[in-house]
Amino acid sequence: AQTVTQSQPEMSVQEAETVTLSCTYDTSENNYYLFWYKQPPSRQMILVIRQEAYKQQNATENRFSVNFQKAAKSFSLKISDSQLGDTAMYFCAFLKTTISNFGNEKLTFGTGTRLTIIP
Amino acid sequence: KAGVTQTPRYLIKTRGQQVTLSCSPISGHRSVSWYQQTPGQGLQFLFEYFSETQRNKGNFPGRFSGRQFSNSRSEMNVSTLELGDSALYLCASSAGQGREKLFFGSGTQLSVL
Repeated sequence: AQTVTQSQPEMSVQEAETVTLSCTYDTSENNYYLFWYKQPPSRQMILVIRQEAYKQQNATENRFSVNFQKAAKSFSLKISDSQLGDTAMYFCAFLKTTISNFGNEKLTFGTGTRLTIIP
Repeated sequence: KAGVTQTPRYLIKTRGQQVTLSCSPISGHRSVSWYQQTPGQGLQFLFEYFSETQRNKGNFPGRFSGRQFSNSRSEMNVSTLELGDSALYLCASSAGQGREKLFFGSGTQLSVL
């Protein structure tokens, strides 16, 4: 079974600054995906970024980027030029995959980090 | 493209009652999965349906059940409600091949009194 750990329950940062959220995971699988989801007060879970484990290059989506260290099983999220709209709960999630891959639509989530952007 | 739609947004029930929640996936998506979110347990996987078949099931009692229709819409049912079933129930959809992104709805907030 996989586990995902987010060791920072809460973080805050000034607007326009950069913040990094930590995530570690434990798995014996070699093929998987890692995700960061954002959950604002509206409660909808919004996909921020996805990383395929077989790719060495770190994923980037505009102001959001990850630092994926497969050997260390670490997957941190960096938010640059933070904005007030970034205030939300952030969840790291793991998805196992296989070559045939059916039957694996099951995300394992961390406990989340509550991020507050201060004006 | 319309997103994932969950209805209703809020529900209040009493212990012992049953409840049905609905999820309409993104057009073209064939996989629908359900998650329970509580402050104490976090996000937990309930089950996943693909082409009307349950492919995966989490560790929940048999009171929790679901189904998927031919148009990929899914329903989740909880019978004999308990206070501990109070939670946000989130539905996610994807194409179902396991390599795509999962997109979530806004959830149904269930309160059991």
